[in-house]
Amino acid sequence: ETGVTQTPRHLVMGMTNKKSLKCEQHLGHNAMYWYKQSAKKPLELMFVYNFKEQTENNSVPSRFSPECPNSSHLFLHLHTLQPEDSALYLCASSQVSRAEQYFGPGTRLTVT
Amino acid sequence: AQSVTQPDIHITVSEGASLELRCNYSYGATPYLFWYVQSPGQGLQLLLKYFSGDTLVQGIKGFEAEFKRSQSSFNLRKPSVHWSDAAEYFCAVGSYNNNDMRFGAGTRLTVKP
Repeated sequence: ETGVTQTPRHLVMGMTNKKSLKCEQHLGHNAMYWYKQSAKKPLELMFVYNFKEQTENNSVPSRFSPECPNSSHLFLHLHTLQPEDSALYLCASSQVSRAEQYFGPGTRLTVT
Repeated sequence: AQSVTQPDIHITVSEGASLELRCNYSYGATPYLFWYVQSPGQGLQLLLKYFSGDTLVQGIKGFEAEFKRSQSSFNLRKPSVHWSDAAEYFCAVGSYNNNDMRFGAGTRLTVKP
């Protein structure tokens, strides 16, 4: 596998479910990001990890819980979501010393 | 705070015609500027980037962009559009530590046969 991969690609969950999104990067990067992309809204940065340490949390509700066990893997744990959380969730990675980010294909999340 | 404005929500061009997508940014220092493209159901692919030096940068798929500091702009151009270029295009501004990268709202490009 090359680049940034995300699983699952599609997820439908009820508001009481618990699920996790997975991201893996094969680029040797040391920074990873979660973004939310909703219709008709700019891309929203949710979380940033540099060298496995969380450095950014943009006022994201606690029902979203990130985890970064190593520089290659990033998870987003979801619980008791709301319908307005339905969106495309994008993972990205970069080198800490370089600004350009590389994106995965995203997970399309639908909360029913 | 840094921000990006893409004035055009939707643009339609004929195949073979030239294309220019506009991007204006607000940033206190020298910005790092990017253009990304997103096809339906896909993630964002980096088209090109500007950090410093030559203000005309070349990217993949025949795209180029020109940084104009005086106008705070970083417009994307292509001399001849192909049907496969139909997608959403995002301009972004970042900084050296890249934690605060901001994206524009995007411009959707439709290509007419």
